[in-house]
Amino acid sequence: EAQVTQNPRYLITVTGKKLTVTCSQNMNHEYMSWYRQDPGLGLRQIYYSMNVEVTDKGDVPEGYKVSRKEKRNFPLILESPSPNQTSLYFCASRLAGLRDTQYFGPGTRLTVL
Amino acid sequence: GESVGLHLPTLSVQEGDNSIINCAYSNSASDYFIWYKQESGKGPQFIIDIRSNMDKRQGQRVTVLLNKTVKHLSLQIAATQPGDSAVYFCAEMPSSYKLIFGSGTRLLVRP
Repeated sequence: EAQVTQNPRYLITVTGKKLTVTCSQNMNHEYMSWYRQDPGLGLRQIYYSMNVEVTDKGDVPEGYKVSRKEKRNFPLILESPSPNQTSLYFCASRLAGLRDTQYFGPGTRLTVL
Repeated sequence: GESVGLHLPTLSVQEGDNSIINCAYSNSASDYFIWYKQESGKGPQFIIDIRSNMDKRQGQRVTVLLNKTVKHLSLQIAATQPGDSAVYFCAEMPSSYKLIFGSGTRLLVRP
């Protein structure tokens, strides 16, 4: 089944404790992206990757890192999480074409205490 | 499931009626627009898209209208069903790699 998977789905952590949210897709998509979703703000893009070893900042990259060592994986790293990073996170992927459909993962609910 | 928004505008419609969800976009340079549906506990799901050289596009039970003069999009759902209850987002694409989402509208379908 073609899908985008994220792990963990739920995470409660404390300020400053490094964490990684994994994202994997099995559709051989070139483009992958991370978004955060907060009440009343819709989804905002954190980072995106056009292909392996090619990443760039979205609208809200502060406090996050990403890597794209393999085509299928695009982990989101929070080196020192803070409470304002409490949010719902979505990973997405699509083929390289501008108008190719973007597929979203199921989301990761992160709470930073 | 996860809450996607506590203060979303809400549209309540009777089952079988038509629904119209509106969206204002911000960037005049955007040339591609998408509507997504998000059900509770799930990620957004593609519904329909439209390019800026069109003003209307139809899918199965859905129609998207684009008014570039006033930077306005609408999504029309015909014969709304209980399964249409969800949060709907419009998104604009000002470049190949950036997707800007609106804040969303909650659609409630009354039986």
